[in-house]
Amino acid sequence: DAKTTQPNSMESNEEEPVHLPCNHSTISGTDYIHWYRQLPSQGPEYVIHGLTSNVNNRMASLAIAEDRKSSTLILHRATLRDAAVYYCILRDVSRDDKIIFGKGTRLHILP
Amino acid sequence: GAGVSQSPSNKVTEKGKDVELRCDPISGHTALYWYRQRLGQGLEFLIYFQGNSAPDKSGLPSDRFSAERTGESVSTLTIQRTQQEDSAVYLCASSVGLAGGYGDTQYFGPGTRLTVL
Repeated sequence: DAKTTQPNSMESNEEEPVHLPCNHSTISGTDYIHWYRQLPSQGPEYVIHGLTSNVNNRMASLAIAEDRKSSTLILHRATLRDAAVYYCILRDVSRDDKIIFGKGTRLHILP
Repeated sequence: GAGVSQSPSNKVTEKGKDVELRCDPISGHTALYWYRQRLGQGLEFLIYFQGNSAPDKSGLPSDRFSAERTGESVSTLTIQRTQQEDSAVYLCASSVGLAGGYGDTQYFGPGTRLTVL
């Protein structure tokens, strides 16, 4: 899997939107962008994924740059329960390959 | 439906003993992963099973670590002669695998917390 770069940590106020950036300058045409998050003392959980177009689901939105070299996970209204480590991962599913997690971004939510 | 389950949830062992950790993936998932997460650290890939293909063992840290999978069901991670540095949470994940196509999503179990005294 290609490499991604994320900030180590971010802070946001409760009930404010949060924009979590991810750089993936070496992304290939068959790489999907996946986001997972890991709440304290739990295993990671899937958040969202996309290829080229922006994506929305009940948890978040994913904004993908036109050149696909970066993406942003958007939490529209952060709550204390959104405090977690967020992982941005590239998944080349044209190949049968393992998924590698980076260090992710630790998101702190301030009440 | 049932998610990924792991047992035991906690395991305390003495240095030098062998331990076995079990993972029951979601039924029908052909792909299964093991990861290790030390306290305050990220996920460290250990091993990946995909259907009947030879497993990708490239993440196993030493020959004390091994894993098996019975068909497309349960998997066991074995650590022989445990060391204190093996203390970590061991996470298992499964996914539909190649049949899942571009949206293949991993589903994680709750993990086994291993403490080596």
